[in-house]
Amino acid sequence: AQSVSQHNHHVILSEAASLELGCNYSYGGTVNLFWYVQYPGQHLQLLLKYFSGDPLVKGIKGFEAEFIKSKFSFNLRKPSVQWSDTAEYFCAVNALTSSGTYKYIFGTGTRLKVLA
Amino acid sequence: DGGITQSPKYLFRKEGQNVTLSCEQNLNHDAMYWYRQDPGQGLRLIYYSQIVNDFQKGDIAEGYSVSREKKESFPLTVTSAQKNPTAFYLCASRTTVAGNTIYFGEGSWLTVV
Repeated sequence: AQSVSQHNHHVILSEAASLELGCNYSYGGTVNLFWYVQYPGQHLQLLLKYFSGDPLVKGIKGFEAEFIKSKFSFNLRKPSVQWSDTAEYFCAVNALTSSGTYKYIFGTGTRLKVLA
Repeated sequence: DGGITQSPKYLFRKEGQNVTLSCEQNLNHDAMYWYRQDPGQGLRLIYYSQIVNDFQKGDIAEGYSVSREKKESFPLTVTSAQKNPTAFYLCASRTTVAGNTIYFGEGSWLTVV
């Protein structure tokens, strides 16, 4: 079965530190990859997405992610975090199933706390 | 305004009662999804539907049922068979035109006492 793994459940950083959140998926076919963010008390928002082409994708608020097909990974990065980046981050995969439907699967999330 | 509307936002029910959560979208999206979000478990897929009158089980469909009689509506029924129904439920829909991005409603909090 398809799955998405986020290994870091809680991350605490100081402002200006660099961020990398891991995401690995298990699916051998064509996938679309996403990172979503959920700020406290708000709903999920799309940060960035990968469909094809350049494996390094840039999103909003200075975030970027790199798709490494050989490692089944789509790690999220930001060179310098801010206090306002405190949120929960979810990796997601949209995979075509054998029945021809698209199934959206999310990871368990990573809670990021940035200390001012 | 275009969007996904979930109702009610907060719902309390007694154990043993079925409850139906509403999800309506006016985005003309073909695909709709139901997830539940629990702390530390992320979003888990309950049911999804690609077209009207068709739906598939997700990873945790037991104790839930859905229908898709209209394109814009995808109600979720939490039945008494669901062992741990207290959760935050999210409805979502997807466009095939913009490249599979999924959009979420604001969610419904269900508390079973």
